[in-house]
Amino acid sequence: GQNIDQPTEMTATEGAIVQINCTYQTSGFNGLFWYQQHAGEAPTFLSYNVLDGLEEKGRFSSFLSRSKGYSYLLLKELQMKDSASYLCAVPRGSSNTGKLIFGQGTTLQVKP
Amino acid sequence: GAVVSQHPSWVICKSGTSVKIECRSLDFQATTMFWYRQFPKQSLMLMATSNEGSKATYEQGVEKDKFLINHASLTLSTLTVTSAHPEDSSFYICSARDSQRGTGELFFGEGSRLTVL
Repeated sequence: GQNIDQPTEMTATEGAIVQINCTYQTSGFNGLFWYQQHAGEAPTFLSYNVLDGLEEKGRFSSFLSRSKGYSYLLLKELQMKDSASYLCAVPRGSSNTGKLIFGQGTTLQVKP
Repeated sequence: GAVVSQHPSWVICKSGTSVKIECRSLDFQATTMFWYRQFPKQSLMLMATSNEGSKATYEQGVEKDKFLINHASLTLSTLTVTSAHPEDSSFYICSARDSQRGTGELFFGEGSRLTVL
C-alpha cells in the first residue's frame, strides 16, 4: 500500500529556518510533491523531486532520499505569510498519472 | 504559467438541490482532470478522474450517481453534486496536468466551497 506521514503541527519564529519532514511508503516511486495551502484556499505547487538530493528554489528547498523513503521541505528566512499547511504527496500507483495521495499536511505557524 | 480555474468559489444550497462546479484549464489542454474533496482540517482525497470524451472513473466509496462528472471538452470538466445533503458540505478542488510540460506538475483550481443547509 501507500502511506505518507508528516507532523501535524509546527511552530517557528519569523526569520528562522524550519524543516518539515515527510516519510512515505509506496509500491513504486514516481516522484514526491510539496504543496503549500493557505486556509480556505487551494494548494499551490512548491516542488517536485524525482532524484535524490537537495533542490533549492529561493527560500524553499526540498530534499529527497528514495532509499530511506524520506523527504523534507526547508523554509529559510521565515515570513509571517509562510503560515500555512504544507502537504507532502506522491503519485498513486506505478506511474505519475496525476492521481496524488496526500499526507495529512503540516500546519506551520510563524510567530513574530 | 498554467492556470486552472474553478467556478463558483463558494456556493450555499438547500438540502436536496443539485450544484454544478466547473473546472477549466485556461492556457493548456487537459485530457484528464481530477476532482478532490477536502473536509475541514483534513487532507485532500481523490474522488474521481475526469476523462475527456469518456466516462469518469471513481474512487472506491464515491457514488458516481451522486457526483456526476462531465468532461465535454479539452479545457472543461464539471462536477455536479446531485441531491446534496449537509454531509456533502466540503471544499471541492479540481486539478489538471499540462501534458506538454515534462515536470509532472499538477495544477489546482482555486477550490469551491460547498455548504448544504
